[in-house]
Amino acid sequence: GESVGLHLPTLSVQEGDNSIINCAYSNSASDYFIWYKQESGKGPQFIIDIRSNMDKRQGQRVTVLLNKTVKHLSLQIAATQPGDSAVYFCAERGGYALNFGKGTSLLVTP
Amino acid sequence: ETGVTQTPRHLVMGMTNKKSLKCEQHLGHNAMYWYKQSAKKPLELMFVYNFKEQTENNSVPSRFSPECPNSSHLFLHLHTLQPEDSALYLCASSQDRAAKGIQYFGAGTRLSVL
Repeated sequence: GESVGLHLPTLSVQEGDNSIINCAYSNSASDYFIWYKQESGKGPQFIIDIRSNMDKRQGQRVTVLLNKTVKHLSLQIAATQPGDSAVYFCAERGGYALNFGKGTSLLVTP
Repeated sequence: ETGVTQTPRHLVMGMTNKKSLKCEQHLGHNAMYWYKQSAKKPLELMFVYNFKEQTENNSVPSRFSPECPNSSHLFLHLHTLQPEDSALYLCASSQDRAAKGIQYFGAGTRLSVL
């Protein structure tokens, strides 16, 4: 079946550096992608989304890049802060369902 | 607060027990979802309700029984569970099933089956 996967299970960055979290997807028909953040003891929280007719979208300190040619999605976090430490999930919409990746754990060190 | 409240936050039950998980959303959404989150696995969609009607059941064992009395409330009734059912159960809601896709999640119920 189709799958959504993340390249790295863990990522450690220093406070103030930029973070890049990558995601590969295999369903070429996917038209919509979302990034979620899940902090310990909480449910996933929406960060940013992007439609397949775009290749870049910016939010507050976050940017999502979509490369449909290689079916790759990335989340960039600028000036990473301790509060950014969490697990980050990408998800792609297949039909009416969201298919989630396994998640990347981001650890921000002082 | 996300506007989606789940109770209880933690639940320990034996394999012969019957318990229920509750989810309530205050966002005026029409679609609600149950997900299972196990360690080192992607979120698994279990059930989808749209306007109180179940629209998807992803081959979930019958020991999990959902109930959606109205668009704001969703229950997951549990009976004769197995230890491998121990996981975080997440409820989510969205404007409707065909919306942009943004689903808002509750904090989850951490279930342990002994």
